[in-house]
Amino acid sequence: IVMTQTPLSLSVTPGQPASISCRSSQSLLHSDGKTYLYWYLQKPGQSPQLLIYEVSSRFSGVPDRFSGSGSGTDFTLKISRVEAEDVGVYYCMQAIHLPFTFGPGTKVVIK
Amino acid sequence: EVQLLESGGGLEQPGGSLRLSCAASGFTFSSYAMSWVRQAPGKGLEWVSGISGSGGSTYYADSVKGRFTISRDSSKNTLYLHMNSLRADDTAVYYCAGMTHPLFPTVTPPANGYWGQGTLVTVSS
Repeated sequence: IVMTQTPLSLSVTPGQPASISCRSSQSLLHSDGKTYLYWYLQKPGQSPQLLIYEVSSRFSGVPDRFSGSGSGTDFTLKISRVEAEDVGVYYCMQAIHLPFTFGPGTKVVIK
Repeated sequence: EVQLLESGGGLEQPGGSLRLSCAASGFTFSSYAMSWVRQAPGKGLEWVSGISGSGGSTYYADSVKGRFTISRDSSKNTLYLHMNSLRADDTAVYYCAGMTHPLFPTVTPPANGYWGQGTLVTVSS
């Protein structure tokens, strides 16, 4: 499964919204009804941290300014109001087809 | 609190071997499928290998199949990655992480929300 992301880089003014798209080469919907699409943020010098699981559920402790949407093969991560601490590289990942694959990453910087 | 602590990284020559360990705490280790994910310097994330909670099923990326072996010891709450025939392109930070997949029982929060801090493997002569 090939995962693509757009854009690959994003410069955002604090307080403004941001959006990242992710597309998979095959559907990520399983017969169990779940869609195995995840969003991670890797802050500079840190391990990746899970933001969103199964397309739209926020992981524990993730601020509600982060939201995920989509279905099948097309997905979007939105940040309603970007804060300085949101800088880093955002990855989408599929966990339905082995081997798992990540998107190339979207680097978010603050203007 | 869930903690995953990797160790065993270092400098190794091409063709050599290393064993990475990941000590887990704060959760029922045997209930979680686990995986290794790596990140070459300045590059993105690459899933390397996974193992079921029982250890009975293992999975590998094509890039490491036949050279790497994943295993786990539930008595020690430890995940391992045995790496043989190392190549320069295996140079990366290796992360231990929980693994979520339709084959495995659902856990909440999802297992792939838990990652270690990583251990650096450098393959160079």
